Amino acid sequence: QVQLQESGPGLVKSSETLSLTCSVSGDSISSYYWGWIRQPPGKGLEWIGYIYYSGSTNYNPSLKSRVTILQDTSKNQFSLKLNSVTAADTAVYYCARGPYCSSARCDEPHPNFNLWGQGTLVTASS
Amino acid sequence: EIVLTQFPGTLSLSPGERATLSCRASQSVSTNYLAWYQQKPGQAPRFLIYGASSRATGIPDRFTGSGSGTDFTLTITRLQPEDFAVYYCQQYGSSPLTFGGGTKVEL
Repeated sequence: QVQLQESGPGLVKSSETLSLTCSVSGDSISSYYWGWIRQPPGKGLEWIGYIYYSGSTNYNPSLKSRVTILQDTSKNQFSLKLNSVTAADTAVYYCARGPYCSSARCDEPHPNFNLWGQGTLVTASS
Repeated sequence: EIVLTQFPGTLSLSPGERATLSCRASQSVSTNYLAWYQQKPGQAPRFLIYGASSRATGIPDRFTGSGSGTDFTLTITRLQPEDFAVYYCQQYGSSPLTFGGGTKVEL
């Protein structure tokens, strides 16, 4: 059974860097798309970015200048860094798995998100 | 960027009734790459539908997705108590990936 678990600080000071890790069990991150999505309190979902097999990434243009997603295949984890945070970055951050994607083929050109972590609330505060 | 507009914002129904949720795209969604999710309070979204009309594994057949191009619908026949939640559509045909604002199905 595949499981995703977000981890990282729940409180980040304004202007500093938000760092989260998604640990994946039951599947290899060398296959599939892996993404980050966030949800401000009481609001809707916002796609942040995704990473896939070779470490290639795609980011939301609205966040691109501040976002980095990396993978660590030795730990079967992928991570999110969002720098220069403000109160507007306060949200529940989810990691999620997309469709199969490897060096051989990708089932979709971009991912939907068929499996989600439980989410972690990150508060950006001065 | 494809903007997804969901309507109505809130749907007030009773168990056993039929729910019809709409998702309209600002431009055509490539190859009908449209997904639906269900979210209950305090929980992560749950994947329901992909490719506009294909049910994800384990999703009951009372959930049906339909539509193409710019207009998509999620229909829930015979609402069950556990179906009261917020529903989001998402397009993954082009980047940036975008979500609709959600429809709340309430009792």
